[in-house]
Amino acid sequence: DAGITQSPRYKITETGRQVTLMCHQTWSHSYMFWYRQDLGHGLRLIYYSAAADITDKGEVPDGYVVSRSKTENFPLTLESATRSQTSVYFCASRDTSSGNTIYFGEGSWLTVV
Amino acid sequence: AQSVTQLDSQVPVFEEAPVELRCNYSSSVSVYLFWYVQYPNQGLQLLLKYLSGSTLVESINGFEAEFNKSQTSFHLRKPSVHISDTAEYFCAVADSGGYQKVTFGIGTKLQVIP
Repeated sequence: DAGITQSPRYKITETGRQVTLMCHQTWSHSYMFWYRQDLGHGLRLIYYSAAADITDKGEVPDGYVVSRSKTENFPLTLESATRSQTSVYFCASRDTSSGNTIYFGEGSWLTVV
Repeated sequence: AQSVTQLDSQVPVFEEAPVELRCNYSSSVSVYLFWYVQYPNQGLQLLLKYLSGSTLVESINGFEAEFNKSQTSFHLRKPSVHISDTAEYFCAVADSGGYQKVTFGIGTKLQVIP
């Protein structure tokens, strides 16, 4: 099916471990985003990418790394997970032909213990 | 810099009653405005958007929102809510030019009471 798929949907990891959240879109949208959602903070932008091999920091990039070697994939890596990174992570892409509507994946629930 | 304020964190309302979820924004440039809905354990889905033209926009499930430039508001309304409308609603603003950064509000939880 077309759209954005995230994996894993649920993950429990230990403090200090590296974790990668995968994101794949089938629309070939240029822009892709990673947000985290936390109670009381709403959605906060971690990183975004304007095209393959072009990435930039959002509001809360510390502790995260992204790459975009292909237009359709935008993985997010937590290099050394901390408890404060326990959150729900949403990948998204933007359709610039339709008023810049953002489409979201289903989310990845990450718990760092 | 742009910002979005959702004035109510939670809104309880009885089934079949009307509801208004409030959203105010600030921006130094022209904007696009959006409302997204999030059902439990799911991602956000676009509910409706204002890009230009008519200031009143509608969704397929009975919601509507009106862009008020003078009051910098984009309140979401529905004349008669249903149990299935129980969800969290996010207002978002994007600059209409340049990078078009999108800023989200912190969300309003709509609880429809039977």
